[in-house]
Amino acid sequence: KQEVTQIPAALSVPEGENLVLNCSFTDSAIYNLQWFRQDPGKGLTSLLLIQSSQREQTSGRLNASLDKSSGRSTLYIAASQPGDSATYLCAVRYSGGGADGLTFGKGTHLIIQP
Amino acid sequence: GAVVSQHPSRVICKSGTSVKIECRSLDFQATTMFWYRQFPKKSLMLMATSNEGSKATYEQGVEKDKFLINHASLTLSTLTVTSAHPEDSSFYICSAPGGRSYEQYFGPGTRLTVT
Repeated sequence: KQEVTQIPAALSVPEGENLVLNCSFTDSAIYNLQWFRQDPGKGLTSLLLIQSSQREQTSGRLNASLDKSSGRSTLYIAASQPGDSATYLCAVRYSGGGADGLTFGKGTHLIIQP
Repeated sequence: GAVVSQHPSRVICKSGTSVKIECRSLDFQATTMFWYRQFPKKSLMLMATSNEGSKATYEQGVEKDKFLINHASLTLSTLTVTSAHPEDSSFYICSAPGGRSYEQYFGPGTRLTVT
């Protein structure tokens, strides 16, 4: 069974710092990997989607990388801002064929101090 | 990006009653939708896959007779929590895949509280 692990579970840094969130998964046979943001009591906002054939995706201050062979992905946030404070979730879709839901990590709770 | 809505956003019900949650894809069609549950300070767990025109597929440990799923059209899936108990209190979120990349678009979630 696929397991997704996120490290660290929580992170608090001063505004302006660059930071890296880590995600690892046990089965490298993935279809794609998605990073989400979740604000307290809210739904999920998709940040970046990386297909299994891709190495990285960028959107603004965010950059996500994927190393399928080692079962790892990172989310890099540049020049962090207080508005970046949220829980960041990593999720993987199997490549087993058919319609598969996502397997989520437990998330990294990020606080950016003003 | 594609939009998925959920209704209601919050619901409080008494133990033993049933609650229906709707998930709609607003600007695209979805033959498949997914239902997730999130307990406080926990991650999302896939409950079931909703298939338009056929029976839903449930994950291990999820009671299909308790969580009834109906996917009657290409834009609507419903989750009915039957005979709800306090332990069913949770945040329920649906998603639908869109586009060739199979990106998942999530609804805003429904907070269910069973008293």
